[in-house]
This record gives sequence, structure tokens and C-alpha cells, in this order.
Amino acid sequence: DAKTTQPNSMESNEEEPVHLPCNHSTISGTDYIHWYRQLPSQGPEYVIHGLTSNVNNRMASLAIAEDRKSSTLILHRATLRDAAVYYCILHYGGATNKLIFGTGTLLAVQP
Amino acid sequence: GAVVSQHPSRVICKSGTSVKIECRSLDFQATTMFWYRQFPKQSLMLMATSNEGSKATYEQGVEKDKFLINHASLTLSTLTVTSAHPEDSSFYICSARTGTSTEAFFGQGTRLTVV
Repeated sequence: DAKTTQPNSMESNEEEPVHLPCNHSTISGTDYIHWYRQLPSQGPEYVIHGLTSNVNNRMASLAIAEDRKSSTLILHRATLRDAAVYYCILHYGGATNKLIFGTGTLLAVQP
Repeated sequence: GAVVSQHPSRVICKSGTSVKIECRSLDFQATTMFWYRQFPKQSLMLMATSNEGSKATYEQGVEKDKFLINHASLTLSTLTVTSAHPEDSSFYICSARTGTSTEAFFGQGTRLTVV
């Protein structure tokens, strides 16, 4: 499985944008870039995913580098409820294919 | 989105006993479910892939005789921790995908404490 590298932790202020980086230099052409987050004492939840083009949804935006070797999850206005561990995962799709979690980035949001 | 439900959310058991954790897909059928374990301040570690109607596939280093997985229907997988010991105390999480979704859906997790 191709690996991802994320900073261990980041801090943000409430209502400010947050840019969470992820490096995946060994990504293959069929790998999707997935982001999940895990709030304390809960199971992870899906945030967003993409293949080549930038993606937007109600939770966040995903900016993917042209060479696909890195990506950035963008939270446009951080709230206290966004404090979580954010995981960037490469996955080539399919209901039977497993997700392998890295260490993730612990995001702290200050009021 | 699809819902995956785990039960119980918390369990305390005595050392040497067995504990069963259930994972249900509430509004979709899942031929494949995944079981993870998470120790405090660590990431999720995949334990096994649960396959409906067949044997589970275990990750390297996970004892299949200790962590029994049964996936007897398209909406239910169970993980039984046999002869539990304090070192098995952890947060256990299951996940599944629908047939058409790319994203995975996770249960709320089960906190197991072995005393």
C-alpha cells in the first residue's frame, strides 16, 4: 500500500480556514485520495475523496497537486467541533478493499 | 449516508472470559466488513476482513483463534475476543461499504476493558 505522510498536529483558531497537508509521493494512478476524521471516542467518519481534480463538498475541499504527489484538505471555517484526528488515506476503491490508516494529524481548534 | 451500528458501545469483562461485539449495517447489505483495533493515542490498526459466508482474512500478527469473526449474514458481522486478557483492552471499530459507495462507513466503536 502506498504511504502517506502528515504532520502529527496542527492548531487553528475558530472561524479561520485550516489547510491540512498530506504527502503521498508513491501514489499509483488508480489510487483515490481519501480523507477521514475521528472525533474523540468515536469511529472515523468520511470527509471527502478525489482522484485528480479538486473536490468540494459540504464539509471541506480537497486540493490535489497536479502530479498527485500531495494533497491538502481545506476546512473553510474551523469550528470547535472540527477538532479531531484527520487521516489521509490512499485507496484504489472497491467494497472489498481495505483502508489502511496512517498516524493522521491531530487538529486543535482554539476559540 | 449509510449507517453502521456496533453493540455494545462499552463492555467490561473479567480476565479469561469471552466477549462478543456485533457490527450491523442498518440500511444496506455488506458482503465485506472490516475490524479495527485502536489503542489510546494510536491510529486504527486493521485486524481482519470479514467476508459473508466464508472465513475471515486476518492481518499479519493477529491471532485468528483469539479474535473469532463470524459474518453469517449480509448485515451482521461479529467479533468475539476469546479468553480476554487486560492487554486486549482497546477500542474496537468495524466498518463497511455499500456496493456503490467509495467511502467507508464506520461503527461508533466498542470500548473493551478487561479487568
